[in-house]
Amino acid sequence: EVQLVESGGGLVQPGRSLSVSCAASGFSLDDYAMHWVRQAPGRGLEWVSGISWNSGRKAYADSVKGRFTISRDNAKNSLYLQMNSLRTEDTALYYCVRGINLEFDFGMDVWGQGTTVTVSS
Amino acid sequence: SYELTQAPSVSVSPGQTARITCSGDALLKKYAYWYQQKSGQAPVVVIYEDSNRPSGIPERFSGSRSGTVATLTISGAQVEDEADYYCYSTDTSGNHRGVFGGGTKLTVL
Repeated sequence: EVQLVESGGGLVQPGRSLSVSCAASGFSLDDYAMHWVRQAPGRGLEWVSGISWNSGRKAYADSVKGRFTISRDNAKNSLYLQMNSLRTEDTALYYCVRGINLEFDFGMDVWGQGTTVTVSS
Repeated sequence: SYELTQAPSVSVSPGQTARITCSGDALLKKYAYWYQQKSGQAPVVVIYEDSNRPSGIPERFSGSRSGTVATLTISGAQVEDEADYYCYSTDTSGNHRGVFGGGTKLTVL
């Protein structure tokens, strides 16, 4: 069964850092681009970041550029998002999502259940 | 440009056809994807690359794209189709960023 399981969310103070992870199973991670998508409480979906199959290309939403870093370890079948200088507006459910092919400038298919990040003092 | 626009809500009676549109300049060059999100659940892809339906998605779901507008059509909508629907595409400015529409709440009653 193809599955994505996020972890690492929690409560963090504004200005601090947090790293979330995603463990993939049921498929080979290096056959796909990967994405992070977030959803603030009661709001719509927001694309956060994408990474190509071999980490050769990455992109970020303007709202997180310079603060967040996406990375992957294909040998460990894992995706990561390092979040620095967190703001209250980063509070959201963060989804790990599989791209539909090697590059991230296409759509997505498989979604995890998400991990909640709350930024509050 | 970097925006996709959707109507906030659409309402139909069971058995009627629901059409949800998504507009944006990015759709001139890039595929549209459609995601269904039911309350409290993760999104699910219902249409990919404008008009393709993944396995397991009912045939009543279809998609099309013309110019700057993509359309998700649910022919004979069912009560269980009530959900938020989001279109998705990619920025064409060279930044390769993803972009979601604001979402459309489909009510079937």
